[in-house]
Amino acid sequence: AQKVTQAQTEISVVEKEDVTLDCVYETRDTTYYLFWYKQPPSGELVFLIRRNSFDEQNEISGRYSWNFQKSTSSFNFTITASQVVDSAVYFCALSEANTGRRALTFGSGTRLQVQP
Amino acid sequence: DGGITQSPKYLFRKEGQNVTLSCEQNLNHDAMYWYRQDPGQGLRLIYYSQIVNDFQKGDIAEGYSVSREKKESFPLTVTSAQKNPTAFYLCASSSGVSYNSPLHFGNGTRLTVT
Repeated sequence: AQKVTQAQTEISVVEKEDVTLDCVYETRDTTYYLFWYKQPPSGELVFLIRRNSFDEQNEISGRYSWNFQKSTSSFNFTITASQVVDSAVYFCALSEANTGRRALTFGSGTRLQVQP
Repeated sequence: DGGITQSPKYLFRKEGQNVTLSCEQNLNHDAMYWYRQDPGQGLRLIYYSQIVNDFQKGDIAEGYSVSREKKESFPLTVTSAQKNPTAFYLCASSSGVSYNSPLHFGNGTRLTVT
């Protein structure tokens, strides 16, 4: 069965520090997608990125970068030069192609607090 | 602007009462979802629907019911059979039923049952 583990429950950093949020997944499927979402205090989850299982190329978008490694079943998310506005709960999620389940499986989330 | 509307934002009920949470989307999305969020447990899937008049149970469907009579609406009823109904409920939709479609979320409804 699919599973997503975010071992870091809460992380606190000072503004301008770099921070990495870890995500480890389990799946028997060879075709799948991984996602990251941000949940600010307002509650609505905001989609950040998706990555398919055949594309291990790292992605960078501004201060955000993602490192996908199939060998370790990890899809880690790094924020460079963190800002107070980055404070939120971040979720990693998995979707499999061949199980018939057309819904995302989420990790338990990591709460990031960026102190000024 | 297109989006997902969940109402109300806060809901209070007495134990033993059924309560229905509303979810409406004007994104013309085919698929809709209900997730429950509890502290430290992330999001857990309750029900999802890929098409009108059809829906599937998720991981924690017991004590919940849904309907999908219209493409834009996917209400969730929390019945008295749900043992621990107090939680934050999130509705989502996606444009396709493919496994690679990102979800778009509403702002959630926080249900408190006493």
